[in-house]
Amino acid sequence: DTGVSQNPRHKITKRGQNVTFRCDPISEHNRLYWYRQTLGQGPEFLTYFQNEAQLEKSRLLSDRFSAERPKGSFSTLEIQRTEQGDSAMYLCASSSFGQTQLSYEQYFGPGTRLTVT
Amino acid sequence: AQSVTQPDIHITVSEGASLELRCNYSYGATPYLFWYVQSPGQGLQLLLKYFSGDTLVKGINGFEAEFNKSQTSFHLRKPSVHISDTAEYFCAVSGSNDYKLSFGAGTTVTVRA
Repeated sequence: DTGVSQNPRHKITKRGQNVTFRCDPISEHNRLYWYRQTLGQGPEFLTYFQNEAQLEKSRLLSDRFSAERPKGSFSTLEIQRTEQGDSAMYLCASSSFGQTQLSYEQYFGPGTRLTVT
Repeated sequence: AQSVTQPDIHITVSEGASLELRCNYSYGATPYLFWYVQSPGQGLQLLLKYFSGDTLVKGINGFEAEFNKSQTSFHLRKPSVHISDTAEYFCAVSGSNDYKLSFGAGTTVTVRA
């Protein structure tokens, strides 16, 4: 069990550019979540997958944001035409899914810090 | 809609002193409650969770929390803190029909020598 990994850890981009982040969940976990955390706030839910299916999206996830999990393993989060307001820490988490309460325990990666200049 | 309130933004305590972090939640159904800790440059680490049963739950590193349904609270406590407990602490809620977590704004804890 190597934990949840995220790449890159830091990304600096200019306004208007596209960026893509990657998340690799704990290998046996079939649920994967994306959250966004701005300075001084707690994480806010963006979207989650069960296997390759995207089951829920927050209204925070504008049309410029897209997430995929094509083979039910790693996931990517892409932001198109970045804006300064997109600057934040993007966190990925994973959990197992089954009939037990373990399904509700989410394990987080270290995050990708995005700075839009 | 669910929400979490952590009324204390920043707490400073001396090493060896006790710590209590407050958390109040709003949730329309049976809540599942969590405390996470975030150290600088690190991801969120799960300290403890409450699903049902005994209202006093124990977690890692000597932390414990008590679920109080009538007061809709889930306060975190530690009897004696260490310098290494300096971090940001987040309370979160989900529920039996809702897997996503709703977090409070966090409480920054500074433990001084």
